[in-house]
This record gives sequence, C-alpha cells and structure tokens, in this order.
Amino acid sequence: GQQLNQSPQSMFIQEGEDVSMNCTSSSIFNTWLWYKQEPGEGPVLLIALYKAGELTSNGRLTAQFGITRKDSFLNISASIPSDVGIYFCAGATPRGGTNAGKSTFGDGTTLTVKP
Amino acid sequence: DAGVIQSPRHEVTEMGQEVTLRCKPISGHDYLFWYRQTMMRGLELLIYFNNNVPIDDSGMPEDRFSAKMPNASFSTLKIQPSEPRDSAVYFCASSSDDREGPTDTQYFGPGTRLTVL
Repeated sequence: GQQLNQSPQSMFIQEGEDVSMNCTSSSIFNTWLWYKQEPGEGPVLLIALYKAGELTSNGRLTAQFGITRKDSFLNISASIPSDVGIYFCAGATPRGGTNAGKSTFGDGTTLTVKP
Repeated sequence: DAGVIQSPRHEVTEMGQEVTLRCKPISGHDYLFWYRQTMMRGLELLIYFNNNVPIDDSGMPEDRFSAKMPNASFSTLKIQPSEPRDSAVYFCASSSDDREGPTDTQYFGPGTRLTVL
C-alpha cells in the first residue's frame, strides 16, 4: 500500500529557531496536507497543497508540494513555545479512483520548543 | 458547527469486556474515518465510510473489531472482546466532497482514550 516517510521523527529546538520537516513517498499524490496535533486533541489542518510546485504560507508556516508529487516539506520560522506538538503530513488521491477520499498519513514529527 | 463529537472521551475496561465507541460527524460530511493512535504504530486508519457505506476496512486488526454507520450522523466502533493490546486513542474524522472547502481535509474529533486492563 501507499506509505509516507516523514522525517525527522522528533526535534528539540530553542525558541526563535527555524524548523524544517519533510515527507517523501513512493507514490504520487494529488494533494498534500499538513496537520498539527496538540496534546489531548485530534490533528488539525495547517496547510493544504493541490498543485505540484505550489508554495503556500500560513503565518510563520510555509509548505511546498514537490515537483515530482512524491514529496512535501513544512517550514516553521521563528518558533515559539506554542508550536509544540506532533506534525503530520498526509497525501490524498483523487476522489474518483482507488483509495478515493482517503489520506495516507506519515508517522509524525514531534516538536519540542525550549523557551 | 460543533465539530466531530466522540464519546466517551475516556474508557477504562477489563479484558474480555465489550467496548463501544461513538462518533457524530460534522453535519453534511459524506466521509467518516476511524483511526487508532499508539506510540508504537502511530496513526492507523482502521476503516472509512462514504455515504454510510464501508469503503475500506483493510485496517481493521481482527474480527474482534467492527464498525457501523447506520445513518449520516452516527457511527460506532465496537471491540468484542477487548484485549490489553487494544489500549490506544481512537479518533473519528469526517470530510466533505464539497469543493467550496479545502478538498480532502479531514476534521478530527477529540478522540477516545481506551485503556483495557
């Protein structure tokens, strides 16, 4: 089945530092999504990407959809303590085909920010 | 909208007992997903429905697990009999085919933390 390799598995950084994480896949996806999960909650969407090469920002967050459609990265600039959580990438395939409506999730990157 | 609602939020039970987890998706959403999250295995998709019909249940670990969606506003995940290795956080999520919103976005509930002793 489809699998995503997300790295790094965890990061310990100082407040103010920039963060970068990425996902790669052996399969092509038509949509890449990045979610954040805070303790005791379910994942929440941060950024959605729909076109190869697309670069999208949401405040201090920037994500890109790789040209090959097999990878994506998420950057967080000037990290703050509330950025703590688990960040998941997810790839989705078109609604009309096999796996329609389903997303494949990476294993997550656990981010710890020290004040 | 209240978002995806799950109940109970916490469940502690003894091995061998039946456990039923409940989910109310966001109104109007036509996809519903059940996930299990553990430290060892991460976020695993168990089963998902489209318009109340199960589409893919290949992630259901064993026959002890079953899921139903009798109508568009309610789904259950049942474990019978439960075992200690079933201890995990179980999430329900829903999404919509409505192109006005971010396509393929899944909206997760707060989860049910299950502990089987």
